[in-house]
Amino acid sequence: AQSVTQLGSHVSVSEGALVLLRCNYSSSVPPYLFWYVQYPNQGLQLLLKYTTGATLVKGINGFEAEFKKSETSFHLTKPSAHMSDAAEYFCAVSGGGTSYGKLTFGQGTILTVHP
Amino acid sequence: DTAVSQTPKYLVTQMGNDKSIKCEQNLGHDTMYWYKQDSKKFLKIMFSYNNKELIINETVPNRFSPKSPDKAHLNLHINSLELGDSAVYFCASSPNRGTLNNEQFFGPGTRLTVL
Repeated sequence: AQSVTQLGSHVSVSEGALVLLRCNYSSSVPPYLFWYVQYPNQGLQLLLKYTTGATLVKGINGFEAEFKKSETSFHLTKPSAHMSDAAEYFCAVSGGGTSYGKLTFGQGTILTVHP
Repeated sequence: DTAVSQTPKYLVTQMGNDKSIKCEQNLGHDTMYWYKQDSKKFLKIMFSYNNKELIINETVPNRFSPKSPDKAHLNLHINSLELGDSAVYFCASSPNRGTLNNEQFFGPGTRLTVL
C-alpha cells in the first residue's frame, strides 16, 4: 500500500523567498516519487520525478526535490519564489511493478506568492 | 498540438441523467487513466487501461463504465448521475504500464456539475 502526506495545505511566501513544500510518503516497495503542479483551471504538469540514482532531482522552473529514504520524505524547494509559481502542488508516489503505474497523490499544497 | 485532450471541458446536468466524457491522446502511449478530483482537490485514480485492457479498477460505483475503443482513446460513461459525482475528471496517459518512469501526462480536465 502507498500513501502520501503533504504537510500544510497552504503555504504563503514573499516573492524572492525560499519555497519549501513538504511531502512524506509511505510505500511497501521502493518508491518512485513525483511532484506535479496545477495552475488554476488547468490539468497537472510534471515538475520533477525521482526513480533511482541521484537523490537530488532538478525539475522545471527552478524547482528541485531531495529523496531522503531515512526520513521517507521528498520535499520540494525553490531558492527564490516568483509570482508565476502561485499554483497548487501535488506530491505523488508510484510503486511500479504490479501496481501498473498507479499514482497515489497527496492532498495538495496551495502556494501563494506575495509581491 | 494537444497531447491529451478531453471533451467536454464543462458538463452541467441533472441528477439521474447519463453522460459521457471523452479522452484522446496523440502521444502514442499504451496506458491511459481516469482520475477524479473532488471539491477538496483530492485526486484519486478510478481506472486504467493498457492497450485497451482494463488493468486498474479502483472501488468505483458500477454506474461508472470506462471504454477504450483503441489505445489512443479512453471514454468514461456515467449512468444515473448523483450529486456526489460532481467533480473534475482528469484523463492521463503514460508510455508503458508499471515502468519505473511512469510519467503521466494529464488532460485539461472536465468539470462535471450535477444539479
